[in-house]
Amino acid sequence: GEDVEQSLFLSVREGDSSVINCTYTDSSSTYLYWYKQEPGAGLQLLTYIFSNMDMKQDQRLTVLLNKKDKHLSLRIADTQTGDSAIYFCAEFPPTNSNSGYALNFGKGTSLLVTP
Amino acid sequence: EPEVTQTPSHQVTQMGQEVILRCVPISNHLYFYWYRQILGQKVEFLVSFYNNEISEKSEIFDDQFSVERPDGSNFTLKIRSTKLEDSAMYFCASSPGTSGRYQETQYFGPGTRLLVL
Repeated sequence: GEDVEQSLFLSVREGDSSVINCTYTDSSSTYLYWYKQEPGAGLQLLTYIFSNMDMKQDQRLTVLLNKKDKHLSLRIADTQTGDSAIYFCAEFPPTNSNSGYALNFGKGTSLLVTP
Repeated sequence: EPEVTQTPSHQVTQMGQEVILRCVPISNHLYFYWYRQILGQKVEFLVSFYNNEISEKSEIFDDQFSVERPDGSNFTLKIRSTKLEDSAMYFCASSPGTSGRYQETQYFGPGTRLLVL
């Protein structure tokens, strides 16, 4: 399928906010997800947003969705060294899609948090 | 909290050998999936499975691949004759399947790292 686009790398200082951006492919996508992958580990579901929402906040995480521009962002407040990981954006296809239930992932953004 | 488990965590095999990767999905989930991630690349969908049959597969999932739910808890991915390019991390996932197509959040296992020599 088409590519979900993410910047490959982001470096922030501990305590600062991180903003990870994603451009997805289909404005009709129903759910957008953020997964976290720590080194050598699996994919941990961080949060998700339904397509009829503009924003979702969950503790230090804020997800913003701009459907018109097909743009999704993940903001991590007060970033900690333990937040260093790869963050994947993924879209769940629309109901009229031939893609069924296959999540379409971006290549991931490597977040490095420095002390 | 229930989680998806996978075994083994690492597998090394010779080219041409068969491998079976095992997964135990979350117990009350009805949809199961396999994805793979070649080193440095995006996570790619392989196959989804529901009601004891494949519901969807990607072009990656060719005749060398098969899936099975041999009992009420396990979900397996078999690669019949492995190739070097099959080296990847293989993730199993499951989703509830109880609320229609919406809210089909997929929960991933820790992955099996397969190395084909």
